Amino acid sequence: DAGVIQSPRHEVTEMGQEVTLRCKPISGHNSLFWYRQTMMRGLELLIYFNNNVPIDDSGMPEDRFSAKMPNASFSTLKIQPSEPRDSAVYFCASSVTGTGGNEQFFGPGTRLTVL
Amino acid sequence: AQSVTQLGSHVSVSEGALVLLRCNYSSSVPPYLFWYVQYPNQGLQLLLKYTTGATLVKGINGFEAEFKKSETSFHLTKPSAHMSDAAEYFCAVSDNGNKLVFGAGTILRVKS
Repeated sequence: DAGVIQSPRHEVTEMGQEVTLRCKPISGHNSLFWYRQTMMRGLELLIYFNNNVPIDDSGMPEDRFSAKMPNASFSTLKIQPSEPRDSAVYFCASSVTGTGGNEQFFGPGTRLTVL
Repeated sequence: AQSVTQLGSHVSVSEGALVLLRCNYSSSVPPYLFWYVQYPNQGLQLLLKYTTGATLVKGINGFEAEFKKSETSFHLTKPSAHMSDAAEYFCAVSDNGNKLVFGAGTILRVKS
């Protein structure tokens, strides 16, 4: 299996622009997670989906952030408009929901820089 | 609410020495506990996990961790450090095995 695929790997944009990050989970996995990693705040869960349905979006910073999962093999995280404080590495992870203790498989991340 | 505290943001050991990375957690229910490793410019990779049963858990690359309920700890150890172990290590807790709460991470440096 190719693992979790994220694109782009690097994104540099200017403040006010729309940014879309993409994720393809591992085939057969039914849970998908979006994380943000910064030096100041560490690794934060933004939102997670189960069977394409958002379950917990309490970590989404504000209305500028939105996430969708139109089908089992694709998810997007959109920031509109972007701000310099959104600069971070964004990770997508997927897992199989089971009886508990499920391993999350992480993608390589998207490094976002907002100028 | 769940939380994780990792003591020491940086740990330095000599090659061949014992590795000990500390993790304490807070959880209102029996927790699921995880250790992940992150190499530079990569995503996180699972080292080991505790769900139920045996409290000493063995993982990949010679790492192990022991769940101690009385101490609310899940420290990570490895008897002999290798240069390739240099990375950042994250402890995580979950109350249902799905949503993870991560610690701040510990950067392990291995000196030759």
